[in-house]
Parts: sequence; C-alpha cells; structure tokens
Amino acid sequence: KAGVTQTPRYLIKTRGQQVTLSCSPISGHRSVSWYQQTPGQGLQFLFEYFSETQRNKGNFPGRFSGRQFSNSRSEMNVSTLELGDSALYLCASRLGTASEKLFFGSGTQLSVL
Amino acid sequence: AQRVTQPEKLLSVFKGAPVELKCNYSYSGSPELFWYVQYSRQRLQLLLRHISRESIKGFTADLNKGETSFHLKKPFAQEEDSAMYYCALNVMGGQGAQKLVFGQGTRLTINP
Repeated sequence: KAGVTQTPRYLIKTRGQQVTLSCSPISGHRSVSWYQQTPGQGLQFLFEYFSETQRNKGNFPGRFSGRQFSNSRSEMNVSTLELGDSALYLCASRLGTASEKLFFGSGTQLSVL
Repeated sequence: AQRVTQPEKLLSVFKGAPVELKCNYSYSGSPELFWYVQYSRQRLQLLLRHISRESIKGFTADLNKGETSFHLKKPFAQEEDSAMYYCALNVMGGQGAQKLVFGQGTRLTINP
C-alpha cells in the first residue's frame, strides 16, 4: 500500500497570503489528522477528520481550517499567513474505528516571509 | 491538562551502552502512551505502544502509573538507534476522536 502522501513538499508564501495543503491517506483509512511541527512548540495537534466531518480540533485560531472529501483525501487551509505559521505540517491517517496507530506523511514545509 | 514531558533534549551514549529516554505525563484519564521515532530523512513512525507490551528493535517501555512515567529503554545501544524520539499521549474524545499530545522530543546520538 502506498503511504500517506502530502503535497506540495515545500511552499514559500508571504505574510497575508493564504495557503492550501493536501493529504492523501493510506487506502482504506477514513481518519485524517493534521499536526504542526515547529522547533519551539514541537508537534501540536491541529484537527482530525473522519468521514468528511471534523471530529476533533486543537487550540489554533480560526485562520486554520480543513476539510475532508468523500475519498478521504484532506486539505488544510491557512488564511492571512503570519510569520509564526512557518512550520512543517504533518498529516497522519488511520482506519478511524478505534484507538489505533497513526501513519504519518513526510510533511509540507511552509515558509512564510 | 494533558501534558507530556521529555526532560532531555539531547542524549548521547556509546555503542553497546544502555539507553534510557525519559518520559513523564500528566493526564486525568486512563493513559495510553506511545513512542514515535524519526530517523534522519524519514517520516515519523510508531516505535511501540504501551498496551502492546512488545519489544521493538530491542526497545521496551513500561507504563508506571504511580510515577506517571513511560521511559524507553534498550540494554545495548546500536549506531542505527540514532534518531529523534517522541513520547506521545493518546487523548480520546467522543465518537472515537483521537489526538496525540507529544513531548518535545529527545535527540539520541549513539557514538561508535
């Protein structure tokens, strides 16, 4: 099975712009989670989607949003980018029916200038 | 509040020496803990989970609820163990919702 795929691998944006990141989960996985990784804050949970519904949300401002499509692919959007949004954004998938291991993608490295 | 603490940012040991990476947690519910590892230029991957009580690549971790700890141990370190290690607490929500609360990570370096 192919692993979790994230695109693009790298992104450079300027302050005030908006960005959309994409994640394709492992085939058959219905849950997709997003995490932000920074040197200062480490790995922080953003949100989890299951069957196109947001099931859980972390402590991030409303500028961070996401969605999931019927094929379980997910997108994450950040509007009005700030310098502090520069981070590695990780997507992870799991079957979604119970507490299970997460499979992580390689991430999208976002740089905000 | 849910919190995971890894007190050592960096840990360096010699090949063949024992390794212990410390992890402490704070959680009011029944804890479910994991160790994730990230090797150089590879994606984050699960190393082991406490409910499995397994040994992976020679590593073991025991949940100590009294001390709220989940330390990762290996009796004889190997050079290929050099990596970033994250301890994580699984926080379950309603309807199967799940989120992981990660520690800050420990970079383990095994010296030849």
